[in-house]
Amino acid sequence: EDKVVQSPLSLVVHEGDTVTLNCSYEVTNFRSLLWYKQEKKAPTFLFMLTSSGIEKKSGRLSSILDKKELFSILNITATQTGDSAVYLCAVGGTSYGKLTFGQGTILTVHP
Amino acid sequence: DADVTQTPRNRITKTGKRIMLECSQTKGHDRMYWYRQDPGLGLRLIYYSFDVKDINKGEISDGYSVSRQAQAKFSLSLESAIPNQTALYFCATSTARSGNTEAFFGQGTRLTVV
Repeated sequence: EDKVVQSPLSLVVHEGDTVTLNCSYEVTNFRSLLWYKQEKKAPTFLFMLTSSGIEKKSGRLSSILDKKELFSILNITATQTGDSAVYLCAVGGTSYGKLTFGQGTILTVHP
Repeated sequence: DADVTQTPRNRITKTGKRIMLECSQTKGHDRMYWYRQDPGLGLRLIYYSFDVKDINKGEISDGYSVSRQAQAKFSLSLESAIPNQTALYFCATSTARSGNTEAFFGQGTRLTVV
């Protein structure tokens, strides 16, 4: 059975701090790892990673995948209150395209 | 307009009632999914469909059924709702054409079974 585990489950920081969110996985026939941000309702797509060691960046957010050690990290630098959200990690592990999600990390950024 | 639309957005129903959640999409994607989200459990897959004639069970399909009426429509039914089906339900779509597995989500339906 495919499994995705995120840590920490929750995190409280102050504006300007840097945070690192972790995602480890056990998946058959790994195809991709995705990060989503969920603020109020629908998760919104952040990154998709398929190759080890290649960092994806978007502004203050960046992510990297280690396929040998089966994990990914999501970094957020100079956090802002607008970064407060649930961050979800998901893995596509079969040829069918369906995703297995982790529990999510609740990030709270205080002013 | 949203690319993936779910109706209703909120619903309260009584135990034992039949309820249907509907999802429609304008993205032209062939694949559609129903997930439920519970606090601390992330999103769990209920059913998925890769085309109109294809329906597959996910990890938590018991107590649910689905219908893919057209490529753009995928509905989820609870035949006899029970309180532990209280959750946030998401419909999602994807396409295999680009080789990506990215899923696009609707705004969610918050279902409360009392």
